[in-house]
Amino acid sequence: DIQMTQSPSSLSASVGDRVTITCRASQGIRNDLAWYQQKPGKAPKRLIFAASSLQSGVPSRFSGSGSGTEFTLTISSLHPEDFATYYCLHHNNYSLTFGGGTKVEIK
Amino acid sequence: QVQLVESGGGVVQPGRSLRLSCAVSGFTFISYGMYWVRQAPGKGLEWVALISYDGSKKYYGDSVKGRFTISRDNSKNTLYLQMNSLRPEDTAVYYCAKDGTRSYYYDSSGKVPVPLPLAGVDYWGQGTLVTVSS
Repeated sequence: DIQMTQSPSSLSASVGDRVTITCRASQGIRNDLAWYQQKPGKAPKRLIFAASSLQSGVPSRFSGSGSGTEFTLTISSLHPEDFATYYCLHHNNYSLTFGGGTKVEIK
Repeated sequence: QVQLVESGGGVVQPGRSLRLSCAVSGFTFISYGMYWVRQAPGKGLEWVALISYDGSKKYYGDSVKGRFTISRDNSKNTLYLQMNSLRPEDTAVYYCAKDGTRSYYYDSSGKVPVPLPLAGVDYWGQGTLVTVSS
């Protein structure tokens, strides 16, 4: 089974900071990866699909990159509403595999 | 707009059963694969099960295999999760989720559906809490 290792598990940042979150796959997964944002008590919301495609309606400060085994979610300039937990997700025709999550907190 | 509304959660004793439902609207249910994903209190997301658009293929996470059954009624636009032999570690919010792309297209004859790869989750329901406790 493919494992998704997400790092860091948490980070503290200030409004305006550039933030980078990484997911590594235990084997190559092409670009079958998405990124989600989750706020407390709410369902996750998709930000990025196919590793680098921005979901409609999501601000352009969010971007995704990578292919194969290493993937990155970048927030170019952190806004107050971006403090949340972020997850990567690998999908195939048989399963979903989530990363462990990254909690972005206010410094 | 796409809507997924889960129901059926509650408090149940260990070893008992519960059935969750997810009523959907705003998209052509029969054309999409569907998922159940859960989240234990204070923990991350865990995939539970997936079902193909026509119900012919079903896959499960290791922690629920043999105990949970995913199904769908395309005439009622509803997804189900039958949960048997529940354990305290099954306590979680259970989300119903939709795949991000149509599961097939029709070939040149216009009659034969050709499968397409699943694309992961694009929309989620609001979740329903299941608590397994004596």
